[in-house]
Amino acid sequence: DTAVSQTPKYLVTQMGNDKSIKCEQNLGHDTMYWYKQDSKKFLKIMFSYNNKELIINETVPNRFSPKSPDKAHLNLHINSLELGDSAVYFCASSQGTVATDTQYFGPGTRLTVL
Amino acid sequence: GQQVMQIPQYQHVQEGEDFTTYCNSSTTLSNIQWYKQRPGGHPVFLIQLVKSGEVKKQKRLTFQFGEAKKNSSLHITATQTTDVGTYFCARGSGGSNYKLTFGKGTLLTVNP
Repeated sequence: DTAVSQTPKYLVTQMGNDKSIKCEQNLGHDTMYWYKQDSKKFLKIMFSYNNKELIINETVPNRFSPKSPDKAHLNLHINSLELGDSAVYFCASSQGTVATDTQYFGPGTRLTVL
Repeated sequence: GQQVMQIPQYQHVQEGEDFTTYCNSSTTLSNIQWYKQRPGGHPVFLIQLVKSGEVKKQKRLTFQFGEAKKNSSLHITATQTTDVGTYFCARGSGGSNYKLTFGKGTLLTVNP
């Protein structure tokens, strides 16, 4: 069984379109995250949710809107896609919000904006 | 501030050679985590260090946490082609603003 899953794995779209990425974890974790990894492999946190509540929003443009319908799911909707949004987006989860909690990453969604 | 600096950015070795990547912080770390990301894959947790001067081993991998808790290292003995990937260190900050701040990673390539 996959612990953290994401769909789709690949997403190719035109500038200006709106798209969504979905994430689900079956680990029973309370906290979920979205990361963006650019072409230089830099992993940057975008959002985190704890028990469906937003706890971190790292100055991400408001074209990005996360939604957590329950603590096992965290989706990411992106409006008016731009070329600079091309990246790999990783979902992750952790047990809670303690500094020593480890994170489990999904397989990633490679977004290409043309 | 909360960043962790990782060096080198790239390292290419011959199979059988040793490899070390370093992680440094200007402020004291409460803990340091190490992750490995294979090419085309996702980051996978390797280990966590919490105590000053801590040393942990996983087969050919040795992880160290500095006495001042401001630096950490990952050393691989006798690299194999399966060690190829990007190694990230990450510092954790807890409480209401919990997050991991990742270093920029060290990409290891191994020539067979």
